[in-house]
Amino acid sequence: DTGVSQDPRHKITKRGQNVTFRCDPISEHNRLYWYRQTLGQGPEFLTYFQNEAQLEKSRLLSDRFSAERPKGSFSTLEIQRTEQGDSAMYLCASSPETVYNEQFFGPGTRLTVL
Amino acid sequence: DAKTTQPNSMESNEEEPVHLPCNHSTISGTDYIHWYRQLPSQGPEYVIHGLTSNVNNRMASLAIAEDRKSSTLILHRATLRDAAVYYCILGTDSWGKLQFGAGTQVVVTP
Repeated sequence: DTGVSQDPRHKITKRGQNVTFRCDPISEHNRLYWYRQTLGQGPEFLTYFQNEAQLEKSRLLSDRFSAERPKGSFSTLEIQRTEQGDSAMYLCASSPETVYNEQFFGPGTRLTVL
Repeated sequence: DAKTTQPNSMESNEEEPVHLPCNHSTISGTDYIHWYRQLPSQGPEYVIHGLTSNVNNRMASLAIAEDRKSSTLILHRATLRDAAVYYCILGTDSWGKLQFGAGTQVVVTP
């Protein structure tokens, strides 16, 4: 399968713990996006990478959130000192650098903070 | 950022066409109109996009009003696998940040 993969698919953690999620984009896609989705809502944009450069972060991305994309390949999203409000589905997407960029989404990581 | 308005839900019988409306009265001249859908327990998937002209692909058709203030996604023959939330999104950034709304929940009845 050459689609976008995310790991883990599910994560349960206690409030105050740190968690890290991984996203492997489709190879040769140099654009990578992170979104967050809560129940009953559409996904919300968090951040965007072009190759290894993080070009934009949403104001939703508090100081407890950090994302990296070393070497322009896979990406990680870390949440420090998790809060119950962080419980959501975290989605990763990738796209090629073309005039029109269809985004290919992964299956997401479901985070539950107890 | 330009916003879109969609009905909360629509119901269709299997093998009948589904017309999903989307209003975007504040669309700018360079905004693409994207449609994505999200099946249960999956990430969103691309359906179709357009700028000014009507578009067809293997999944659906997109009809864009002449003034571009509204559009309609057409599923020609709904199947049970088309039951999903359909999102109409305007592309406001050249690099493609997607700003999803709540979408339309499509229910397909056998």
